[in-house]
Amino acid sequence: NAGVTQTPKFRVLKTGQSMTLLCAQDMNHEYMYWYRQDPGMGLRLIHYSVGEGTTAKGEVPDGYNVSRLKKQNFLLGLESAAPSQTSVYFCASRTGTSGRDFPYNEQFFGPGTRLTVL
Amino acid sequence: DAKTTQPPSMDCAEGRAANLPCNHSTISGNEYVYWYRQIHSQGPQYIIHGLKNNETNEMASLIITEDRKSSTLILPHATLRDTAVYYCIVRVVKADSWGKLQFGAGTQVVVTP
Repeated sequence: NAGVTQTPKFRVLKTGQSMTLLCAQDMNHEYMYWYRQDPGMGLRLIHYSVGEGTTAKGEVPDGYNVSRLKKQNFLLGLESAAPSQTSVYFCASRTGTSGRDFPYNEQFFGPGTRLTVL
Repeated sequence: DAKTTQPPSMDCAEGRAANLPCNHSTISGNEYVYWYRQIHSQGPQYIIHGLKNNETNEMASLIITEDRKSSTLILPHATLRDTAVYYCIVRVVKADSWGKLQFGAGTQVVVTP
């Protein structure tokens, strides 16, 4: 199992450009999450999904959109990138109601995408 | 979810036990204590969780005080690979929960040779 993978690992954008970050998991997890982490801070939740075709806002959703068209993939989009979106982005997944140990079970995190917006 | 307080940093000698404290004085009865860690440039990694009983797994032990207002994560024999930021998180666990994790600043643990 590859676990949770993220594409790309690094990206530099100019202000106003758009891009999509891809998160993929091969653990058949129902729940998926997108976080951002800024220097010296903990992770903050952007959006999450509790299943294919469903998404919801987290703490800091402004400027981002997400889609969950396939169970294994969770996409994070930036329509018009701003310097304030310079950050490290982490994706995570977790088993849903059918999983062992639910609702206590942990989140599995990807390696992160380092995004710089100039 | 209850807030947590952790020291910003601590050092530990390799091979010794590392005891990481966490204060969660406003914890409520249905909130669990979770610990994650984040090694530099990697995503967070789950360590352990508990409600009121002490818990142990292959990575660590979790000691929760009787009043549940504080807890201690114990790494029994710290290695250099345990150098990381450790996050103590308190969250409600229920069947319809989507599993919200509220990350604070954590404790930077440095294990020295």
